[in-house]
Formats: sequence, structure tokens, C-alpha cells
Amino acid sequence: DAGVTQSPTHLIKTRGQHVTLRCSPISGHKSVSWYQQVLGQGPQFIFQYYEKEERGRGNFPDRFSARQFPNYSSELNVNALLLGDSALYLCASSSWTATYEQYFGPGTRLTVT
Amino acid sequence: DQQVKQNSPSLSVQEGRISILNCDYTNSMFDYFLWYKKYPAEGPTFLISISSIKDKNEDGRFTVFLNKSAKHLSLHIVPSQPGDSAVYFCAASARSGNTPLVFGKGTRLSVIA
Repeated sequence: DAGVTQSPTHLIKTRGQHVTLRCSPISGHKSVSWYQQVLGQGPQFIFQYYEKEERGRGNFPDRFSARQFPNYSSELNVNALLLGDSALYLCASSSWTATYEQYFGPGTRLTVT
Repeated sequence: DQQVKQNSPSLSVQEGRISILNCDYTNSMFDYFLWYKKYPAEGPTFLISISSIKDKNEDGRFTVFLNKSAKHLSLHIVPSQPGDSAVYFCAASARSGNTPLVFGKGTRLSVIA
């Protein structure tokens, strides 16, 4: 079975630009969560989606947005990029009945210059 | 305010010996705990978990112990192998509220041959 997939693997953007990151969950999983991991820190929760609806949001500015599609894949969008947005962005999928058991994708490494 | 703390940034252990990684939490609502292992350039991989109704869970070389009164958990790896060298994250969740995972900062384990 395929695990969680994310694209792209790496991305370099300039300050002020926007970026879209993509995630496909494990087959059968309907909940997707996004996390940001900066160097030296643990992953920090950004969003959780289930059935195309936002079910949770972490302490991130409105420049961050996300959506979930009917096939349960998801996009994370970040506008007006700042240098501090440079991080590894992780997508995790889970079943809705067990959202505490999350399985992570390989991540997208975003570098903002 | 860090709700999940891993106070040892790094740990070095000889091959064949026991590795003990520690984690403390402050939120009494947490009732499910997980350990993830992360290699560079990869997403976190689920290792082992424990529910608050248990005080021990074992899976092969990996055992997690939970002391609820002390709000402390530990991961034991016996025997340690060079392939265990990675960053280990402790994570916690309040299952009843479908809350997202809250991670510690991680502990880098180096197993020396």
C-alpha cells in the first residue's frame, strides 16, 4: 500500500511569493493534517481537515490556508512568504475515528530566500 | 508554553546497550502518547504508542513506559543498533477531543558501533 505522498520534495521561493504544497493520504484515510517543522523543533500543527472541512487550526497567521478535495488529497497554501517560513512541511493522514494515530509523508522542504 | 518536553537534545549509546529516551508532559488532558523516529530528509515514522489506561507497551526491542502521576514517559530500546541512530520525537494527544498531536523538540540518538 502506498503511504502518504507529498509534492514537491524541495522548493525554493523568494520573499513575498506564494507557494502551494500537495499531499495525498493513505488510501482509506479521510483526515489530513499539516505540520511545520523548523530546524531544532518538533512538528507544529497548522491545520486538520476532514471531509473537506477544516476541523482544527494551529497558531499560524492568515497567510496560511489549506483545503481538502473530494478524493481526500489536500493543498497547503502560504502567501506573502517570509524568511521564517523556511521549514519542512509535513502532511499526515489518519482515519477520523483515530486522528491520534497519524502517519506522515516525507515532507516538502521549503526554502525562502 | 511547551506542553511536551524532551529535555535531552542528544544521547549517545554503545551498540548492544539500552537506550532510554525521556519525555515529560504538562497537559492532564493528554491520554494517548506516541513515539516517532525521524531520519534526515524523511518524515517521522510511527514507532510505538501507549494509551493512558496502560503503564507499559512493548513491541520487539521497543518498550514505552508511562507514569501518569509524574506525567512522564520513556522509550527503551534494547539492544540498541546503529540503525536506531535518528531523532526521536515524543507526541501526545487528547483522543476524546480529536485534538492534533503535540510534539516535543526531539532527542537525537547516536548508537556507536
